Amino acid sequence: EAAVTQSPRSKVAVTGGKVTLSCHQTNNHDYMYWYRQDTGHGLRLIHYSYVADSTEKGDIPDGYKASRPSQENFSLILELASLSQTAVYFCASSPDWGANQDTQYFGPGTRLLVL
Amino acid sequence: GDSVTQMQGQVTLSEDDFLFINCTYSTTWYPTLFWYVQYPGEGPQLLLKVTTANNKGISRGFEATYDKGTTSFHLQKASVQESDSAVYYCVLGSNYNVLYFGSGTKLTVEP
Repeated sequence: EAAVTQSPRSKVAVTGGKVTLSCHQTNNHDYMYWYRQDTGHGLRLIHYSYVADSTEKGDIPDGYKASRPSQENFSLILELASLSQTAVYFCASSPDWGANQDTQYFGPGTRLLVL
Repeated sequence: GDSVTQMQGQVTLSEDDFLFINCTYSTTWYPTLFWYVQYPGEGPQLLLKVTTANNKGISRGFEATYDKGTTSFHLQKASVQESDSAVYYCVLGSNYNVLYFGSGTKLTVEP
């Protein structure tokens, strides 16, 4: 069973502060992703990575940085948090080969409130 | 660019009713189409996958099909149960396993 964990599960941050969301997977997957979920918008891709030490921009990367220090870990960084970044953030991983190569396995999400 | 449009924001049914959710997609690639389901407090999880090779996917009583001519794909179930209440996303697969999500359909099944 695929396993993706996220920490923290919820966070309250102040405007202008730095926020780091962490994701850890034990699936031995090469691909990892960060999404945000807002009511009425589904999930939108922020950053993704297909190999350690490399990240790629998704559809909405502005205001976010990503870091992939190892295959298992992928972080999302908000250097200057803003009110508009209040959302639920999901991390996911997927393999790059095999029968399930394009299936993404999601973590439980992090609820971020910026005040 | 790649995109998915999901128009039905909310659907309310009674148990044993027929479910039909429709989406349209746009892509320059041969599409791989998915339906993901999200239960409260959880991340989305794969429900069904449909490719140009198989044209149809079936899982847990749900059936997904796509129509290349109208660039649409559908999710249906003959008889819904209260436990099917969740948010259903139509999803388009792209390069690097990137997924494009529709806006979601919240299904509520009343007993």
